[in-house]
Amino acid sequence: SQKIEQNSEALNIQEGKTATLTCNYTNYSPAYLQWYRQDPGRGPVFLLLIRENEKEKRKERLKVTFDTTLKQSLFHITASQPADSATYLCALVYVRALTFGSGTRLQVQP
Amino acid sequence: DAMVIQNPRYQVTQFGKPVTLSCSQTLNHNVMYWYQQKSSQAPKLLFHYYDKDFNNEADTPDNFQSRRPNTSFCFLDIRSPGLGDAAMYLCATSGSGTPEAYNEQFFGPGTRLTVL
Repeated sequence: SQKIEQNSEALNIQEGKTATLTCNYTNYSPAYLQWYRQDPGRGPVFLLLIRENEKEKRKERLKVTFDTTLKQSLFHITASQPADSATYLCALVYVRALTFGSGTRLQVQP
Repeated sequence: DAMVIQNPRYQVTQFGKPVTLSCSQTLNHNVMYWYQQKSSQAPKLLFHYYDKDFNNEADTPDNFQSRRPNTSFCFLDIRSPGLGDAAMYLCATSGSGTPEAYNEQFFGPGTRLTVL
């Protein structure tokens, strides 16, 4: 079965810096990979989707890369703000179902 | 605003006492999902409906059942809750048509279930 690895240790950075989060997976590459944000006690919120034939996708301060050779996606938040503090989940898409990673908690210090 | 609504937000039940969690959506989406999420873990898909077509994940316990009486509503029934079923239960929806439409999922706020 597919295994998704995200760094379980929290990432602490200073406001204004770029945060980079990693998502690694085993086995076969999905057709799509997604990133979600989850705040404590809330449901995940969709951020970005990238297709297997796309190398990079951007949305405002967010950038996602997808390397099917390395079986890895990187998620970047530029000019980070304290409001960006949350847990970020990557999710792999197979048919209609999502398989989530357990997420990495980002803490942006003012 | 179009949204996914879950009731109640917090549910306390006793060991072995059946409980039902509800989800409604105003997005008119074809697909509805139920996930279980335990603390600091990934959301785990339990099952999903594509319209009335029910799809159960292979490792979802028989203790968990679901009903979807119409497009807008979906219920999660836990027939005999155990202590290990205490978790956040998330309902999500997605559209259909383009792959992107049915792959982007919209989540409700979740119901936190406590089993005493």
